[in-house]
Amino acid sequence: DAKTTQPNSMESNEEEPVHLPCNHSTISGTDYIHWYRQLPSQGPEYVIHGLTSNVNNRMASLAIAEDRKSSTLILHRATLRDAAVYYCILRASGTYKYIFGTGTRLKVLA
Amino acid sequence: GAGVSQTPSNKVTEKGKYVELRCDPISGHTALYWYRQSLGQGPEFLIYFQGTGAADDSGLPNDRFFAVRPEGSVSTLKIQRTERGDSAVYLCASSSRTGSDTQYFGPGTRLTVL
Repeated sequence: DAKTTQPNSMESNEEEPVHLPCNHSTISGTDYIHWYRQLPSQGPEYVIHGLTSNVNNRMASLAIAEDRKSSTLILHRATLRDAAVYYCILRASGTYKYIFGTGTRLKVLA
Repeated sequence: GAGVSQTPSNKVTEKGKYVELRCDPISGHTALYWYRQSLGQGPEFLIYFQGTGAADDSGLPNDRFFAVRPEGSVSTLKIQRTERGDSAVYLCASSSRTGSDTQYFGPGTRLTVL
């Protein structure tokens, strides 16, 4: 299974954009990039996913490097409720299980 | 609509006892997954069901762990002869297995083995 590397922790000020990086240098052509976040005492929550093109939804944007060896989750305006552990996960097409790393703990400062 | 639910939310048991953890997936979701999460770690895959059958149980740590999904909906994770090392949060997820195959997680069951 392809691995992902994320910083252990990051801080952001409230109402400022946040860029959460993820390296996945061993990604294969059929691996989807998924992002989940986990708030305290809750199960992981889907944020966004993509394959090759940048993606936008109501929660965030996903910027995927041209060589697909890295990606960045962008929260456009961080709020206190965005404080969570963010996981970048690769899932091969046709497979089903997620391989989670330890994620990035995002702290949002008021 | 209703999300994935798990019961109980907390379970405390003694070493050596048997426990059952229940998962109610989102209605209509054919795929169901169990994960285990230890403190400070990301979730770890245990088993995956497609319908009633376990399509992949490669993540189950040993034969004390077993899971069933007899009618293709509710699933039960069973742990025999519990050990202190089994203490963790057990997470269940379901998906429709179409399109993006996004998995939707429940809140988890926190198991504590004394």
